[in-house]
Amino acid sequence: GAGVSQSPSNKVTEKGKDVELRCDPISGHTALYWYRQSLGQGLEFLIYFQGNSAPDKSGLPSDRFSAERTGGSVSTLTIQRTQQEDSAVYLCASSVNRGRNYGYTFGSGTRLTVV
Amino acid sequence: DAKTTQPPSMDCAEGRAANLPCNHSTISGNEYVYWYRQIHSQGPQYIIHGLKNNETNEMASLIITEDRKSSTLILPHATLRDTAVYYCIVRPYSGGSNYKLTFGKGTLLTVNP
Repeated sequence: GAGVSQSPSNKVTEKGKDVELRCDPISGHTALYWYRQSLGQGLEFLIYFQGNSAPDKSGLPSDRFSAERTGGSVSTLTIQRTQQEDSAVYLCASSVNRGRNYGYTFGSGTRLTVV
Repeated sequence: DAKTTQPPSMDCAEGRAANLPCNHSTISGNEYVYWYRQIHSQGPQYIIHGLKNNETNEMASLIITEDRKSSTLILPHATLRDTAVYYCIVRPYSGGSNYKLTFGKGTLLTVNP
């Protein structure tokens, strides 16, 4: 597609349940990023994938969070045993490469609400 | 990381130029200035970036002062659709974790009819 696609666009889940958020980056973009935006807050870096290199997971807030990127394309962010503080908009972005001289293209995000 | 300072909000009349300032007084020689905007309920959108020369594209112009301690994003003819939060970000050209964009609170630009 022409842009970064994220699904679902909205997700309401009960506390303690697991959720999976999906990101389809722009074809040919080797770098993929996950960010989180809580209500009224700035964006918070979560994880970065670049080609076949080991991902930078330093932004993941706890071990309940994990992410995969299969085949260098689609990525899935998984949150286990969700908590209310996990409620936020989860944004995925991709770029041609590490992003040295390029802007990132963001998806519209998944709005996660934990009740 | 260099930090940026932006006014929390600005207003602009439709059709007029919107000039959004950003201070980045501690910017390093290898750091670029990037601008993104976020329209309500959407992901951030890349606008423009520059190192030390002024830049222009189809969306906006970026004016960087000679000492690189501040910059101005110019939307030459603002429309209602330009209402958004505008983020000024500095990041290294390469190396380390330059892929980690640090978004501050940005400037909420409201374009009025």
